[in-house]
Amino acid sequence: ETGVTQSPTHLIKTRGQQVTLRCSSQSGHNTVSWYQQALGQGPQFIFQYYREEENGRGNFPPRFSGLQFPNYSSELNVNALELDDSALYLCASSLMSSGSVETQYFGPGTRLLVL
Amino acid sequence: GENVEQHPSTLSVQEGDSAVIKCTYSDSASNYFPWYKQELGKRPQLIIDIRSNVGEKKDQRIAVTLNKTAKHFSLHITETQPEDSAVYFCAARGYSTLTFGKGTMLLVSP
Repeated sequence: ETGVTQSPTHLIKTRGQQVTLRCSSQSGHNTVSWYQQALGQGPQFIFQYYREEENGRGNFPPRFSGLQFPNYSSELNVNALELDDSALYLCASSLMSSGSVETQYFGPGTRLLVL
Repeated sequence: GENVEQHPSTLSVQEGDSAVIKCTYSDSASNYFPWYKQELGKRPQLIIDIRSNVGEKKDQRIAVTLNKTAKHFSLHITETQPEDSAVYFCAARGYSTLTFGKGTMLLVSP
């Protein structure tokens, strides 16, 4: 198992609400990426944070936002939840060196259900 | 952006047979290709990866091959076992982001 942890494990929200998901990176890693995995699909890249700044973003609307803290832990915030936001949210930590990101290790995920 | 296609979507084999999963990518700048195994309800776990300066890599029963010219890479599992049953994802990375295929559900029957 990796040293990446996520909380909570499961969450139920209603449409229009806001949610915050948390991720603790593996020791020694400085980069965190967030992915959305819908049922039966591969993970889709939401965004990546390096040194507390967004370092790349996928095709997700601005209501998906994030933070990275000095200890390299991270949050994913989703505002105005929609039914289609129901998915498994994965974070992955890695080490960026020489401008290149090394292997990404995934956390166990947070399963979000929007009713 | 990068686009990764993965085939087949499902694969059923008998225990002891070999399994091959194939992926193609679109961005010639991609330089890192990991494969992840995801069991039901669990996190994706890295099983093997290959970088663009290498054509083949092997780790016990698992091997990956890369053809940069054709922009495709494959996962080979030999002597399959029931515990190999899972969903396998290929991915390609350009500068920093990973783009995943849609996954292959591998079922190994005893």
